[in-house]
Amino acid sequence: DAKTTQPTSMDCAEGRAANLPCNHSTISGNEYVYWYRQIHSQGPQYIIHGLKNNETNEMASLIITEDRKSSTLILPHATLRDTAVYYCIVLNQAGTALIFGKGTTLSVSS
Amino acid sequence: DSGVTQTPKHLITATGQRVTLRCSPRSGDLSVYWYQQSLDQGLQFLIQYYNGEERAKGNILERFSAQQFPDLHSELNLSSLELGDSALYFCASSARLAGDTGELFFGEGSRLTVL
Repeated sequence: DAKTTQPTSMDCAEGRAANLPCNHSTISGNEYVYWYRQIHSQGPQYIIHGLKNNETNEMASLIITEDRKSSTLILPHATLRDTAVYYCIVLNQAGTALIFGKGTTLSVSS
Repeated sequence: DSGVTQTPKHLITATGQRVTLRCSPRSGDLSVYWYQQSLDQGLQFLIQYYNGEERAKGNILERFSAQQFPDLHSELNLSSLELGDSALYFCASSARLAGDTGELFFGEGSRLTVL
């Protein structure tokens, strides 16, 4: 699976959009981009995933660049409850398990 | 609530002892995954089972073993415990293999403290 690079930490004001970048320059054609988050010692929570097209659900939007070498997770209106570690993971379809990196610690403040 | 149940939630034991952590996946989910999270190592994948069969192995120590039973629940056995085994152990389940555009549902974890 391709390696990902994320900033160690980011800050965001409550009510503003949080844009979390992820670099995955070695991604191959059949690899998906997954995003999970972990709120202080709770179990990680699935957010969204995509292959080529941009995706949106009730939690977030995922923007994948045309060359698929990077992506951005967007939380449109961040709240204090969005403070968490966000993990970007690249996964192929071979059924291998998700491998978590260090992620980005997002701190949302009022 | 993810639908994944882990027991016990907290466990304190001594070095050299053996413990068993239990996981009940979401109803109908065939895949079970075990992860270990310690302060200095982050989330480490240990092992995956699919419908009773081992599918993938990560950084699981030889002192650790796991199995998935016919009713699909899983147990992680940790033996000859060391101080460094103190960690949060998460179980996750998915309907299909993780790479098949499925998503993992994580339990709340079992916190193991080895004294």
